[in-house]
Amino acid sequence: DAKTTQPNSMESNEEEPVHLPCNHSTISGTDYIHWYRQLPSQGPEYVIHGLTSNVNNRMASLAIAEDRKSSTLILHRATLRDAAVYYCILRDLMNSGGYQKVTFGIGTKLQVIP
Amino acid sequence: EAGVAQSPRYKIIEKRQSVAFWCNPISGHATLYWYQQILGQGPKLLIQFQNNGVVDDSQLPKDRFSAERLKGVDSTLKIQPAKLEDSAVYLCASSLDRGHNEQFFGPGTRLTVL
Repeated sequence: DAKTTQPNSMESNEEEPVHLPCNHSTISGTDYIHWYRQLPSQGPEYVIHGLTSNVNNRMASLAIAEDRKSSTLILHRATLRDAAVYYCILRDLMNSGGYQKVTFGIGTKLQVIP
Repeated sequence: EAGVAQSPRYKIIEKRQSVAFWCNPISGHATLYWYQQILGQGPKLLIQFQNNGVVDDSQLPKDRFSAERLKGVDSTLKIQPAKLEDSAVYLCASSLDRGHNEQFFGPGTRLTVL
């Protein structure tokens, strides 16, 4: 399975943008890049996913490098509610009939400073 | 829309006892997942159901763990007998179908084995 590498922790000031990096140098051409986050004492929640092009939704933006070996999750304006563990995950849905399991790493713990 | 429901939220048992967890996925979701999350780690997939059939149980310790999803809706996960290392949060998630990108997680059941 292609793996991802993330920093263990990051800090951000409230109301400032946050860029959470993820390296996936062994990514295959059919791997989708997914981001989930887990708030304290809750189950993970889906944030965003993409394949090649940058993606935006109401929660965040996903910037994918041209060679796809890295990506960045962008929170445009961090709030205290964004303090969570953020997981970057690769998932190959095309070649596995959608059965490939979602493998979570340790993720990046984001601390938001008031 | 109601989310994924799990019960109980907390459970404390002694080693060698048995325990069962219940999950009710989002209505209409065909795919159901059980994850184990040990403190400080990301969730680990134990078993994945497509309707009432198992599609991946490669990481389920089958000598002590069992799971079923009768009628393709609710699911139960059982541990018999429990060990100290089974102390963890057990998360249930569901998705619309196996190829769908977004998994919806329940709040989890925190199990403590003494």
